[in-house]
Amino acid sequence: DVKVTQSSRYLVKRTGEKVFLECVQDMDHENMFWYRQDPGLGLRLIYFSYDVKMKEKGDIPEGYSVSREKKERFSLILESASTNQTSMYLCANSRGVAGGYTFGSGTRLTVV
Amino acid sequence: AQRVTQPEKLLSVFKGAPVELKCNYSYSGSPELFWYVQYSRQRLQLLLRHISRESIKGFTADLNKGETSFHLKKPFAQEEDSAMYYCALGGGSNYKLTFGKGTLLTVNP
Repeated sequence: DVKVTQSSRYLVKRTGEKVFLECVQDMDHENMFWYRQDPGLGLRLIYFSYDVKMKEKGDIPEGYSVSREKKERFSLILESASTNQTSMYLCANSRGVAGGYTFGSGTRLTVV
Repeated sequence: AQRVTQPEKLLSVFKGAPVELKCNYSYSGSPELFWYVQYSRQRLQLLLRHISRESIKGFTADLNKGETSFHLKKPFAQEEDSAMYYCALGGGSNYKLTFGKGTLLTVNP
């Protein structure tokens, strides 16, 4: 089974801090994604990457950046955390759309 | 633009009753459609995809291109089906999925 691992299950950070959310896959899938999940809003795509050092903005990229230096690792960066970024963050990967996604267990971030 | 609509935020049925979770999509190309499920305290996981035409845990979904729908159905709901269900749409060459806002299904005993 493809495994997608998010390093932290819960995080509490202060407003203005720089926050790194890490995601690692153990299979050789090209595509990786970061979503945030909020009640009543579903999943919204922040950024995705289809190759090393490649990235594309999703639907809500403002306030976020990403890094993909190696194929297995895709990091989400909050440059200056704000309270409206309190959310559940989900990482996913796929080989291609037809195969669907495999999700990590999520990181619940609280910004105080 | 891709869009997925799940009109029901909440759906409550009794055990043994039929259940249908609605999903409508908007997409100009050839769609790839999926249902994902998230049980309490578990990660989001793929339930089924239209291309496979499979039945998983008694659930089926048929793509209706004329009505642009991909409703999820099960003839006899079980308590363990209680979960959040998301419909998702993909297509084109950019590999991303667009998700609906989800429907929380509660199956009462």
